[in-house]
Amino acid sequence: DAKTTQPPSMDCAEGRAANLPCNHSTISGNEYVYWYRQIHSQGPQYIIHGLKNNETNEMASLIITEDRKSSTLILPHATLRDTAVYYCIVMYSNYQLIWGAGTKLIIKP
Amino acid sequence: DSGVTQTPKHLITATGQRVTLRCSPRSGDLSVYWYQQSLDQGLQFLIQYYNGEERAKGNILERFSAQQFPDLHSELNLSSLELGDSALYFCASSVRGGLAGPSGEQFFGPGTRLTVL
Repeated sequence: DAKTTQPPSMDCAEGRAANLPCNHSTISGNEYVYWYRQIHSQGPQYIIHGLKNNETNEMASLIITEDRKSSTLILPHATLRDTAVYYCIVMYSNYQLIWGAGTKLIIKP
Repeated sequence: DSGVTQTPKHLITATGQRVTLRCSPRSGDLSVYWYQQSLDQGLQFLIQYYNGEERAKGNILERFSAQQFPDLHSELNLSSLELGDSALYFCASSVRGGLAGPSGEQFFGPGTRLTVL
């Protein structure tokens, strides 16, 4: 089963782009990459997902490498409200989300 | 507001007791998922229901059970509670989640904080 590896924590200055990396070297061809975030102990919030191509929505961009072994979530203009734990997740074929420890992103003024 | 509701918000009980957590999915969503999050841990997938049928099972203990009712709300039953069961329990819902492809975006409720004393 594919697993993800993320740095435990990152800092980013307010207004700058936050780039959060994720390694998923054992991902298989039909497994999607999902990103969620969790602010304090609130329910996680969906950000974006992708299979092969780069994706962009109103919240973020997702860059997936050509070999699909890693991806980067980009928050283009980070604000203090983006401080959260960000989870990179691979959707298994049985559609379960298997969550890792995530990256604690701290946005500094 | 995700549209997913969970009750109660907080629950304090004693070891050996049984509790029921309730989840109402977003209108139109057929899948319901239950997750457990212990202190400072990631989420652990417990179980998924799709349109009333169990679809996938994760690390759910035998002391725990769940069901999804015809109106699509779901209940998670936790029995013979132990101190280690203290955690946040999240419910999520999605439109899909059957066998036809990935579930897509899951919408999470605010969670139920269970404290076992």
